[in-house]
Amino acid sequence: QQPVQSPQAVILREGEDAVINCSSSKALYSVHWYRQKHGEAPVFLMILLKGGEQKGHEKISASFNEKKQQSSLYLTASQLSYSGTYFCGTDFSGTYKYIFGTGTRLKVLA
Amino acid sequence: KAGVTQTPRYLIKTRGQQVTLSCSPISGHRSVSWYQQTPGQGLQFLFEYFSETQRNKGNFPGRFSGRQFSNSRSEMNVSTLELGDSALYLCASSGGQGNEKLFFGSGTQLSVL
Repeated sequence: QQPVQSPQAVILREGEDAVINCSSSKALYSVHWYRQKHGEAPVFLMILLKGGEQKGHEKISASFNEKKQQSSLYLTASQLSYSGTYFCGTDFSGTYKYIFGTGTRLKVLA
Repeated sequence: KAGVTQTPRYLIKTRGQQVTLSCSPISGHRSVSWYQQTPGQGLQFLFEYFSETQRNKGNFPGRFSGRQFSNSRSEMNVSTLELGDSALYLCASSGGQGNEKLFFGSGTQLSVL
């Protein structure tokens, strides 16, 4: 039941855009996105609830399609600071059991 | 406001030993959840505590246990350590109402030799 993320890894040049996808075989009630830099704690980016709403954080936004059980994270005009591993996560209808996706390693080059 | 504090930062143990990890949540947070992070498996949910009660647990053997104290601090214990238990153990705190932002600690890196 672990959400699957794609791509597994991506390399970008500064200023390029990227999309990270998160798909679940189980119904999603909400989706969280986190970024973890090497050797650091995961940091919250945003949470999306049912209704397909998009949330934004700096130049990072996301969408959530509960019918397709998918969420996508959009990074526009990427910066060096965006490098890290991105995780989607959910607690499947408020069970307090947070399940995280397989992770996407993103590296931004100068 | 102080963040989530995990101690110790690093631990080296040998097979068969037991270990206790500590997590102090952000002041006012009543929920603490624990995760095991390995390169191959990503972030795996261990258990979640709210007001000293375990509300949910992941698919880990009984060697993994935890508890939460009245001040919301939490500990997790791993008994009879195995080589495969080597991992980064993260805890996260939140208000405990569900669908909330999780605040993670920096983790305890456990190496089992």
